[in-house]
Amino acid sequence: AQSVTQPDIHITVSEGASLELRCNYSYGATPYLFWYVQSPGQGLQLLLKYFSGDTLVQGIKGFEAEFKRSQSSFNLRKPSVHWSDAAEYFCAVLPMDAGKSTFGDGTTLTVKP
Amino acid sequence: DTAVSQTPKYLVTQMGNDKSIKCEQNLGHDTMYWYKQDSKKFLKIMFSYNNKELIINETVPNRFSPKSPDKAHLNLHINSLELGDSAVYFCASSQGRGHYNEQFFGPGTRLTVL
Repeated sequence: AQSVTQPDIHITVSEGASLELRCNYSYGATPYLFWYVQSPGQGLQLLLKYFSGDTLVQGIKGFEAEFKRSQSSFNLRKPSVHWSDAAEYFCAVLPMDAGKSTFGDGTTLTVKP
Repeated sequence: DTAVSQTPKYLVTQMGNDKSIKCEQNLGHDTMYWYKQDSKKFLKIMFSYNNKELIINETVPNRFSPKSPDKAHLNLHINSLELGDSAVYFCASSQGRGHYNEQFFGPGTRLTVL
């Protein structure tokens, strides 16, 4: 069965610093890959997704993610974090032959002033 | 203007009661979902409907019964509520059956069972 792992439960960065959130998946073939953000008390919002093609994907709010097949990873990055980026971030995978997504356990991002 | 709305936002009830959560989307989507997010923020899909047809039914107690009266609505009825049902329930919608289509999430319903 497919699985997705977010190794970091909680990350704290200073405002203005760069950010990388890790996501690793386990599946026989390359799945569709997603990153979602959940602000406190809100539902999830899609940041970006990867289906095929260019392995560096640009998303909303200045985020990007890079798909690395050799490492089965899809890490989320942002060059300069803003205080409003403090939230829960979820990586999700969808095998191309299946009908449902599997979400990682989430990474909580705290931004220090 | 709300794309995906859920009512109520908060629900506090006693064990053994029956309750419903309603979800409506005004995006014209044909697929709707229910997710459960537990206290550790683990997010798991429960059900998915496409054009009122059930397409995903995860291992969920049969006390949970989704109902889709039309494409724009997907309600969740829960019988004989248990303490372990306490969670935040999210409704979502997308266009098309495939999960590769962007899902739009509602704000969630926080259910507390006492």
